[in-house]
Amino acid sequence: DAGITQSPRHKVTETGTPVTLRCHQTENHRYMYWYRQDPGHGLRLIHYSYGVKDTDKGEVSDGYSVSRSKTEDFLLTLESATSSQTSVYFCAISDHSSEQFFGPGTRLTVL
Amino acid sequence: AQRVTQPEKLLSVFKGAPVELKCNYSYSGSPELFWYVQYSRQRLQLLLRHISRESIKGFTADLNKGETSFHLKKPFAQEEDSAMYYCALYTGTASKLTFGTGTRLQVTL
Repeated sequence: DAGITQSPRHKVTETGTPVTLRCHQTENHRYMYWYRQDPGHGLRLIHYSYGVKDTDKGEVSDGYSVSRSKTEDFLLTLESATSSQTSVYFCAISDHSSEQFFGPGTRLTVL
Repeated sequence: AQRVTQPEKLLSVFKGAPVELKCNYSYSGSPELFWYVQYSRQRLQLLLRHISRESIKGFTADLNKGETSFHLKKPFAQEEDSAMYYCALYTGTASKLTFGTGTRLQVTL
């Protein structure tokens, strides 16, 4: 597996609380992505980064923010978690090729 | 806008039977397509990409630009092929991929 880790791997939280998920890579890849995976929807892009401090929105960015202060770390923040954000979150990385490498996923439950 | 369609949510086949997972796409540019596989509770991993024209684990996929399809095929299904399969389209911007909704392949004895 490419050097991608996600933390935490599992989290249960309550509606209205802030949550931050971390993606860490050791591959020095330029691009990083956050997806959510939901039954019937497949993988949907939340946000992505094309360099340190360079980020942009994906197709389902409402309610999420990201930050990338270092090449190796890409943080996803839910400012005020809602039950609709219960999902499995995957981080991915890519260099200048078209292939993406995925992290192990974080299972988030919002009660 | 680009779009990837996988019409089947679940495909159930017997061991040894042929498999075809359907994928259709819409994209105005020159497409680059992938199949990713996700085994139970594991991370997604690349299965194959059309530009390499290789066969991985007995799976093949041919890009048909006329039918805008990239169906995944295997002549004889194995139990270990049971997994979730995603078709993905590369759009050439920031290495972004657009994924289909996925097809769960279930291979039974």
